[in-house]
Amino acid sequence: RKEVEQDPGPFNVPEGATVAFNCTYSNSASQSFFWYRQDCRKEPKLLMSVYSSGNEDGRFTAQLNRASQYISLLIRDSKLSDSATYLCVVNTFGSGSARQLTFGSGTQLTVLP
Amino acid sequence: NAGVTQTPKFQVLKTGQSMTLQCAQDMNHNSMYWYRQDPGMGLRLIYYSASEGTTDKGEVPNGYNVSRLNKREFSLRLESAAPSQTSVYFCASRGGWAGELFFGEGSRLTVL
Repeated sequence: RKEVEQDPGPFNVPEGATVAFNCTYSNSASQSFFWYRQDCRKEPKLLMSVYSSGNEDGRFTAQLNRASQYISLLIRDSKLSDSATYLCVVNTFGSGSARQLTFGSGTQLTVLP
Repeated sequence: NAGVTQTPKFQVLKTGQSMTLQCAQDMNHNSMYWYRQDPGMGLRLIYYSASEGTTDKGEVPNGYNVSRLNKREFSLRLESAAPSQTSVYFCASRGGWAGELFFGEGSRLTVL
């Protein structure tokens, strides 16, 4: 089982739609969580951190469920500019592994006009 | 605000050639990372450096070496390039263990 798994995608949605991505993680010791956005052939950029109580930033809402070990990202009122690959990132501090951050393979979103 | 700067942005090598990818950050971050990303795949950690003077292997270190020259600079060296190393390489830095990862624009390497 991969340490971090994301919805396979791709997601093709019309403008204005609401779309949700899930990401599951296998290490219960994971301590912090992030969603990154990556445009085609560009570097990943932080979209939002995910807090235990859930957090919202405009049209984007992130939630964490520690009991079930997953995080989610909800995008409301999708815009054409939201088309990108969304990466789930999990941080496990002090795991003894050289890897502190583990990236999911990403979910591709295309918002259609 | 330069952030994380990588050079070169593009490089074509022949099998067996060597080269060094340079990375510098101006955010006074302790941790720096090298990732590779193959088409349609996620980021895989090659090496990382938690602080100046330390380096550790990541998920895919074979065929690479790194040097944390100082707090700002973290270089990645391919001693004998192979076609399997054709990829996009991203350098990143991070201020603390829970902090945001800042990426460079990437170095696109093709090995023929």
